[in-house]
Order: sequence, then structure tokens, then C-alpha cells
Amino acid sequence: AQSVTQLDSHVSVSEGTPVLLRCNYSSSYSPSLFWYVQHPNKGLQLLLKYTSAATLVKGINGFEAEFKKSETSFHLTKPSAHMSDAAEYFCVVSEGEGGGADGLTFGKGTHLIIQP
Amino acid sequence: EAQVTQNPRYLITVTGKKLTVTCSQNMNHEYMSWYRQDPGLGLRQIYYSMNVEVTDKGDVPEGYKVSRKEKRNFPLILESPSPNQTSLYFCASSWTGTAYGYTFGSGTRLTVV
Repeated sequence: AQSVTQLDSHVSVSEGTPVLLRCNYSSSYSPSLFWYVQHPNKGLQLLLKYTSAATLVKGINGFEAEFKKSETSFHLTKPSAHMSDAAEYFCVVSEGEGGGADGLTFGKGTHLIIQP
Repeated sequence: EAQVTQNPRYLITVTGKKLTVTCSQNMNHEYMSWYRQDPGLGLRQIYYSMNVEVTDKGDVPEGYKVSRKEKRNFPLILESPSPNQTSLYFCASSWTGTAYGYTFGSGTRLTVV
């Protein structure tokens, strides 16, 4: 069985400072890992994904995440926050190929607040 | 434009009145899925479909039905809605093999009174 824990329900940073959103996962197999972003009243947009290639993954809008197997972590970072980054962020784990009842497991989300 | 389209975006209904939320994708994806999003719980899978005429239960299927008669459409049916089904619903699609990631619809906010 797989699970994912987002360690912070809310993160507040000032504009122009670094962002760190933390995610730990549990998986019996080699997982695929994703970060999705949800802006207010919008659907979910894929930021980046890890699928057993390079452990440092670059995504859209300057975000990146590093897969650390020894720590079972997949933290999301950005060097400099922008006001438009204010949104809900979801860490997602998937085991192996194929969709299904275990296709995706979502974290509970981290609400990112950007202070001017 | 590649997209997943859900309708309606907003719906208020009364307990027990059957309703259908439609979902359509234009990417020829085999895999489609429905999720509900509730505060503090993230997204939970309701039903999924691996292909036409192949559907199965997710984590929270009680009170919902689905069908997959055509590849592009995957409607969510609430035969007798109850207030605990008030939620934000998302449809998603993907190529089979979740490493591709999912494309999500814009969501349907359902209120059952």
C-alpha cells in the first residue's frame, strides 16, 4: 500500500524568498511521484513528476523537487516566491504502471501563502 | 486544446433528486477517474475506468455510479444525493500508466440541501 504525508498544512513566505513544501511518501514499490498545484476555483495542474529517471526534477514556473529514496521524501522548492504562487499544492504518489484504485494517492495539501 | 471538460461547474440540488455530472476528454485517453475533494482530506478516488465498459470502485464509491460507454465520456451519477455528498468533484484522464500524470477538469462544486 502507498501513502503520502505533506508535513505542513500551511506555509507562509515573503515574496522573493525561497519556498519549501515538504512531502514524505511510503511505497512498497518504486513509485512515481508528482506535485500538482490548484489555484483558487481552478482545477489541478501538473507541476512536475518523478518517474525513476533523474532524482532532481525541474517543473514549470521555476519549481523543482528532489527524490530522496533514503529519506522517502520528495520536497518541492522554488528559489524565489512570486505572488502568483499562492495556491494549494498536492504531493501525489503512484505505484508502478496502470491506473486503478491505487492509481494515485494524494496528500492532504499544503496551502502556500505569499506575503507582499 | 487538450482538455477535460466537466459540467456543470456549480450545482445546488435537494436530497434524493437524481443528478449526473458529465465529464468528457479529447485526448483519446484510456484511463478516466472521478475524485472528490473535501477540506483537510485532499482528493479521494470515487470510481475509475481503465477503458470502455471497464469500471471499478475507488476508495469512496458509496452513493455513486459511473458508466463508460464511449472512450471520451465518463459521467458520474448520484441516484439519490445526500448532504454528505456536498463536495468539490474532479474528473481526470490519463494514458494507461500513471507515470504520464493526469489531466484534470476544472471541477464541479456540488451542494446537496
